[in-house]
Amino acid sequence: EIVLTQSPATLSLSPGERATLSCRASQNVNSNLAWYQQKPGQAPRLLIYDASNRATGIPARFSGSGSGTDFTLTISSLEPEDFAVYYCQQRKAWPITFGQGTRLEIK
Amino acid sequence: QVQLMESGGGVVQPGGSLRLSCAASGFTFSGYGMHWVRQAPGKGLEWLAFMRSDEGNTYYADSVKGRFTISRDNSKNTLYLQMNSLRAEDTAVYHCAKVYGSVGATINYFDYWGQGTLVTVSS
Repeated sequence: EIVLTQSPATLSLSPGERATLSCRASQNVNSNLAWYQQKPGQAPRLLIYDASNRATGIPARFSGSGSGTDFTLTISSLEPEDFAVYYCQQRKAWPITFGQGTRLEIK
Repeated sequence: QVQLMESGGGVVQPGGSLRLSCAASGFTFSGYGMHWVRQAPGKGLEWLAFMRSDEGNTYYADSVKGRFTISRDNSKNTLYLQMNSLRAEDTAVYHCAKVYGSVGATINYFDYWGQGTLVTVSS
C-alpha cells in the first residue's frame, strides 16, 4: 500500500498570505496525485488532478506541483473561504489511498 | 447537474448488516466507474471500494474485503454497498463518488461526491 504523508498537520496563516502544503508518497506515483478541499459538513471537492492540473472551476490561486514522491499544493494568496482541510490522494496503485490531511486555519 | 444521493445509513449492532444506496442523476451513470469512500467522525478520508462502469472488475480496501460488497444497477442508475459483519470501527459517513473524466475513462480521482450517509455501529 502506498502511504501518503502530509505536512504540516496544521498550518496557521492569515488571509492574503501564501500557503504551501506538502504530500510525500512512500513509493513513486509518477503524476497520479490529486488534491481535495473539505469544509466542515461538506463533501470533499477536487482541486487538482494529475499533480498539476486544476479541476473545472477551481480558481487560479490554487496550483499543484511535483512528481514521483514529493508534491506541493500552493495557494498563492489566501481568501477567507480557503480555510479548510486539504487531502492528497494517489491513484497509481490499488488500494487508492489518501493522506491524513492538513488543516489550514486562520491565524 | 450531477447529483449523487446516498441513503440507507442508520444505527446497527456489531455483527449486523446494512445496505447503502447511491442514486445518481445528471450524467450517464452506466458510463462511469464508481467508488465508496468513508470518513469516521473527526478523521480523514478512507477509500473502500470501486466498481467499473460495466459492473465488471471490483477492488476493495483490505479493511472491508470479505465483509463489504459493491454492486450497481445501471438500469436504475444506482450504486450499492452491502455491509456485513459490521464493527464499531465501521462507524463513519459513507460517500459515493464518481470517477473523473469522460465516459468510459477510469481515471480514479473523484470529481463528484454525495453528501454521505451516517452509519453508526453500536450496541
